[in-house]
Amino acid sequence: DADVTQTPRNRITKTGKRIMLECSQTKGHDRMYWYRQDPGLGLRLIYYSFDVKDINKGEISDGYSVSRQAQAKFSLSLESAIPNQTALYFCATSAGTHVGETQYFGPGTRLLVL
Amino acid sequence: AQSVAQPEDQVNVAEGNPLTVKCTYSVSGNPYLFWYVQYPNRGLQFLLKYITGDNLVKGSYGFEAEFNKSQTSFHLKKPSALVSDSALYFCAVRDYGQNFVFGPGTRLSVLP
Repeated sequence: DADVTQTPRNRITKTGKRIMLECSQTKGHDRMYWYRQDPGLGLRLIYYSFDVKDINKGEISDGYSVSRQAQAKFSLSLESAIPNQTALYFCATSAGTHVGETQYFGPGTRLLVL
Repeated sequence: AQSVAQPEDQVNVAEGNPLTVKCTYSVSGNPYLFWYVQYPNRGLQFLLKYITGDNLVKGSYGFEAEFNKSQTSFHLKKPSALVSDSALYFCAVRDYGQNFVFGPGTRLSVLP
């Protein structure tokens, strides 16, 4: 987990505010992902990036945007936060295209939107 | 579309007893299956995976999983549970787009 870091770890914000969650990795992986975790729903993919010039929408991208500033950095933004975006957010990385390649997760950011 | 089901929200087992956490999947082609564990206030950690070959896969912390193609299952097992195994367990399948689809998770409680 120390190879993938997320800031902040906890955040409370108000409806309508813009916030940014940041992810950094030292694993040298090209691929990075943002997920949200909700009880009983598992992890759902928000956005993913296969390299610095490649950004793709996941299952639930509405209301979110991302920026891949460098190979090691991938940020998730909520342009105008709403209460149903309250969740646990995870960043993950993986090395390449092999189907057996595993993902490595950060410790998560717990977000509360009031 | 690929999907994963974990039919039990919660599994309780006494320490020292065998444990099983169930997973079934649906895919169009060959299944690539994974188990992850999440401890409190931590990210997900990889436990084991099935890509091809032997149906019984061994992983970290004494866990193993059995791939059963006819039943489309990939149940996680451990012969003797520890209290420290208490955590949230996720089954996942990899799809053609090489992204993961996760199940809803099963909370395992090992009672002393």
